[in-house]
Amino acid sequence: GAGVSQSPSNKVTEKGKDVELRCDPISGHTALYWYRQSLGQGLEFLIYFQGNSAPDKSGLPSDRFSAERTGGSVSTLTIQRTQQEDSAVYLCASSGGLGETQYFGPGTRLLVL
Amino acid sequence: AQSVTQLDSQVPVFEEAPVELRCNYSSSVSVYLFWYVQYPNQGLQLLLKYLSGSTLVKGINGFEAEFNKSQTSFHLRKPSVHISDTAEYFCAVGRTSGTYKYIFGTGTRLKVLA
Repeated sequence: GAGVSQSPSNKVTEKGKDVELRCDPISGHTALYWYRQSLGQGLEFLIYFQGNSAPDKSGLPSDRFSAERTGGSVSTLTIQRTQQEDSAVYLCASSGGLGETQYFGPGTRLLVL
Repeated sequence: AQSVTQLDSQVPVFEEAPVELRCNYSSSVSVYLFWYVQYPNQGLQLLLKYLSGSTLVKGINGFEAEFNKSQTSFHLRKPSVHISDTAEYFCAVGRTSGTYKYIFGTGTRLKVLA
């Protein structure tokens, strides 16, 4: 593909609802990352997938957050029972290997009312 | 575990002046180092990276950075900035083996003034 794509670009939801964010990485990239970008907080690592290895979930802030990657390609980040503090831009990135450049998607801007 | 510190949250500088954006990292093992840039209303893109070899790394748009192992720093420099360099700059660190996890700094907002 031309680049990393994410959908939706914007999501407004009510507190307590579940949301699903989707990421389509660059074809052939084995590593896929999710980050959260909040104002003044930089990029917060959430989770990464690499090939068939178990994902590194060490950055997920609570058990309301989960992610999966199907067939080594598309990934979905799910936030259950959303809270207002979950409002942020969620960024997905993919890369071809260790030390390789991460290519970022445009992000999903999540607003929890 | 690794960590990254970008001490300056905002750096204002006049056009055509030099600039240095500071990045310090902490790690007990060897690392890869990156600078990414996010222009207003755009996604993040790689500016430059240090993997090994020469400690002076040149990137896009005239930027360069120097890896200093003894001072655990990877400061970004440009001798003469343009208005178009106004953006947010992020430093990131990753281990050279064992994990694909990268840690990003909190970012430095560079504002170039006319």
